[in-house]
Amino acid sequence: GDSVTQMEGPVTLSEEAFLTINCTYTATGYPSLFWYVQYPGEGLQLLLKATKADDKGSNKGFEATYRKETTSFHLEKGSVQVSDSAVYFCALISTGTASKLTFGTGTRLQVTL
Amino acid sequence: DAGITQSPRHKVTETGTPVTLRCHQTENHRYMYWYRQDPGHGLRLIHYSYGVKDTDKGEVSDGYSVSRSKTEDFLLTLESATSSQTSVYFCAISPGLAGGETQYFGPGTRLLVL
Repeated sequence: GDSVTQMEGPVTLSEEAFLTINCTYTATGYPSLFWYVQYPGEGLQLLLKATKADDKGSNKGFEATYRKETTSFHLEKGSVQVSDSAVYFCALISTGTASKLTFGTGTRLQVTL
Repeated sequence: DAGITQSPRHKVTETGTPVTLRCHQTENHRYMYWYRQDPGHGLRLIHYSYGVKDTDKGEVSDGYSVSRSKTEDFLLTLESATSSQTSVYFCAISPGLAGGETQYFGPGTRLLVL
């Protein structure tokens, strides 16, 4: 079945550091890929998505490129801020699955001054 | 923000009692989902609905039932709550493929089963 693997957290960075959170997936066909973010005490919000190979999703300075050859969708940001501290979830939707999301376990990011 | 609310937001109950959580949307989206979030597991799908009276099981459906009698409401029932069902429950909605398949999440319900 479908699965998503994320790097273990927590990830602790200083403000303005470069961020990478690795995500790889297993799925049949051509899934759509998503990054969601969860701030403390809140629900999940869509951060970005990509629906086909080589697409790049971007939002709020975050980027991720759909790499079919490596089945990856790594999240990057050039300069993190304290306000980026949150839990980040990689997820996928496989074709014909009633838009059901399969999530990774999440990666907690802590950004310090 | 998508119009999606959950009630109650917090609940404490005792083992063996039935519990119903409500998800309400104002977006008229076709799909609705219930997830639970537990440390080390991310979010796992409990049940989902693809239309009024049309529901199906997710990966962790044992001990849970759902109902959707109106487009806007999706109810999750723990028939006899157990301590293993202590969790944070999230509802989500989606327009489906026609809307880019993005899911929008509610604020969550924190449930403690004693």
